[in-house]
Amino acid sequence: KAGVTQTPRYLIKTRGQQVTLSCSPISGHRSVSWYQQTPGQGLQFLFEYFSETQRNKGNFPGRFSGRQFSNSRSEMNVSTLELGDSALYLCASSFRGTGNSPLHFGNGTRLTVT
Amino acid sequence: QQQVKQSPQSLIVQKGGISIINCAYENTAFDYFPWYQQFPGKGPALLIAIRPDVSEKKEGRFTISFNKSAKQFSLHIMDSQPGDSATYFCAASKLNTGNQFYFGTGTSLTVIP
Repeated sequence: KAGVTQTPRYLIKTRGQQVTLSCSPISGHRSVSWYQQTPGQGLQFLFEYFSETQRNKGNFPGRFSGRQFSNSRSEMNVSTLELGDSALYLCASSFRGTGNSPLHFGNGTRLTVT
Repeated sequence: QQQVKQSPQSLIVQKGGISIINCAYENTAFDYFPWYQQFPGKGPALLIAIRPDVSEKKEGRFTISFNKSAKQFSLHIMDSQPGDSATYFCAASKLNTGNQFYFGTGTSLTVIP
């Protein structure tokens, strides 16, 4: 079974631009979560989607948004990029999404904002 | 505010030694505590997890110890190997409220041959 696929792997953007990241979950997984990973901060929860509905949202500004499609694929968008948005963005899928089912992470998209 | 606090930030252990990573939490509503292992260039992968109704769980060389009254849990890696060199994250979640996990800040483990 194919794992979680995130595209692109690397992205360089300029302050003020916007960016869209893509995530294809493991087949059959309906829960997709997004995390921001930065040195010293660990993984910070952005949001979670289940069957196209956002169920949970972390403490990030409204510039961060996402969506999930009917095939469970998900996209994350960041508008008006700031230098502090430079990070590794991880997508994780889960079969049940009940809070005790394992998260299966992709290898992330490394975003650099200059 | 970091809901799960993890220490140490980095750890160096000799091959064959015991690696111990500690985590503490405040929210008593948490009822699932996994540990994730991350190698450079890869996403984290689930290593082992525990529910608060047990005090210890062992899988091979990896053991989670859980102290509910102290709101602390720890990962013990017995007979540490160079292949265990990675970053380890503890996490916590609440059951049946969706799939939101709160992660610690990570521990970089280096096992010296």
